This record gives sequence, C-alpha cells and structure tokens, in this order.
Amino acid sequence: GENVEQHPSTLSVQEGDSAVIKCTYSDSASNYFPWYKQELGKRPQLIIDIRSNVGEKKDQRIAVTLNKTAKHFSLHITETQPEDSAVYFCAAGTGGAGSYQLTFGKGTKLSVIP
Amino acid sequence: EPEVTQTPSHQVTQMGQEVILRCVPISNHLYFYWYRQILGQKVEFLVSFYNNEISEKSEIFDDQFSVERPDGSNFTLKIRSTKLEDSAMYFCASSRGQETQYFGPGTRLLVL
Repeated sequence: GENVEQHPSTLSVQEGDSAVIKCTYSDSASNYFPWYKQELGKRPQLIIDIRSNVGEKKDQRIAVTLNKTAKHFSLHITETQPEDSAVYFCAAGTGGAGSYQLTFGKGTKLSVIP
Repeated sequence: EPEVTQTPSHQVTQMGQEVILRCVPISNHLYFYWYRQILGQKVEFLVSFYNNEISEKSEIFDDQFSVERPDGSNFTLKIRSTKLEDSAMYFCASSRGQETQYFGPGTRLLVL
C-alpha cells in the first residue's frame, strides 16, 4: 500500500519568515495530493491540493510543488503569521472506481514565533 | 458555507459495548468516508462509501466495523464490540467528486 513520509515533525519560524514542509510517497499510482491544517482539537481543514498533471499551484501565501519523478511534494508558506501555527498534514490519494483513499503523513507541528 | 457535522462530539463507552457514530455529510456530496486519529498520531483511512456500498476499506476496518447510510442525509459508523484500542477521534468526511474531501469536527471515542 501507499506510504507517505513527512518532514520535519516540528518546525519553528519567526513571524514573516517562510516555512517549507516536505513529503514523499511510495505509490506511483497516487495522483492527488492535498494538504490539511489542523488546529488543536479541531477538524483537519483543506488548505490546498494538487493533482499529478500539475507541477505547482499557488494560493496567496501558500504554494505546493509536486515532483512526480522523485515522488515528492512540498508545502511552502511565505510571510508566516502566528495564526499559521498548527499541525499540517500532507496526504496522497489513489483513486479507485468510486473514491480516493487518502494516506496521510505523520504531520508537522508549525510554530510561528511573533 | 455548508459543513460536515458529526454527533456526538464525545462518547465514553465500556469495552465490549456497541457504539454508533453519526455523520451528516454536505448535502450534494456523493462520496463518504470515515477516518480515525489516535491521540497525537496521523489520520488513518478506515472506509469509503459510494452509491450505497463500500468502495474501499483498510485493514483496520475489520468485521467489528460497519457503515450505513440509513436515509438521505445520515452516514453512520458502527463498532460492534469496542476494544480499548478503538479509543480515538473518528472523523467523517465527504466529497462531491472523487478528490477534495471535507472533514467533520470529529467524535472523540473513549473505551474504558
């Protein structure tokens, strides 16, 4: 089955700096890669996703890049703010006939220091 | 903006008891999922449901688990005989198409 590795497990940055979180996946059939933000005790919230026919996607301060050959994808947050502090999960999705089963990484706890 | 809802928010049960976790997916969504997250760990896929049947399930989803869509709005997860290791946060998710999944707030299950 799919295996997703995520690094680093914790990340501290100064407010205004950039943060980068990296993930690798094992199943070359995976073709959908979402990123979720989870604040303490709350639901995972989708912040950005990318499909395997796209190499990069940007949404304001958040960007995701995908390298299919190397089987890795990364989340970039620029101009970080204290409210960006949360646990971020990457996931890889392999589509079947009726659904996408998501395999998650172990998460990165991001702390933005004011 | 519509959201996935789940009830109850917390459930405490005795080992061996049956529990039913309830979810109301977003109304025009067609795909439904259950995930679980043991405290401090990653989110794990349990099962997906489409067109009134299970489409995928993980090895976690054994014979003790079942899902049902009893009416046009609810989606339930039943654990027949709970074990201590079933203690976790259970998230329901739904998607309109086969990709973007929106998560509910979760049910925290504690098995004593």
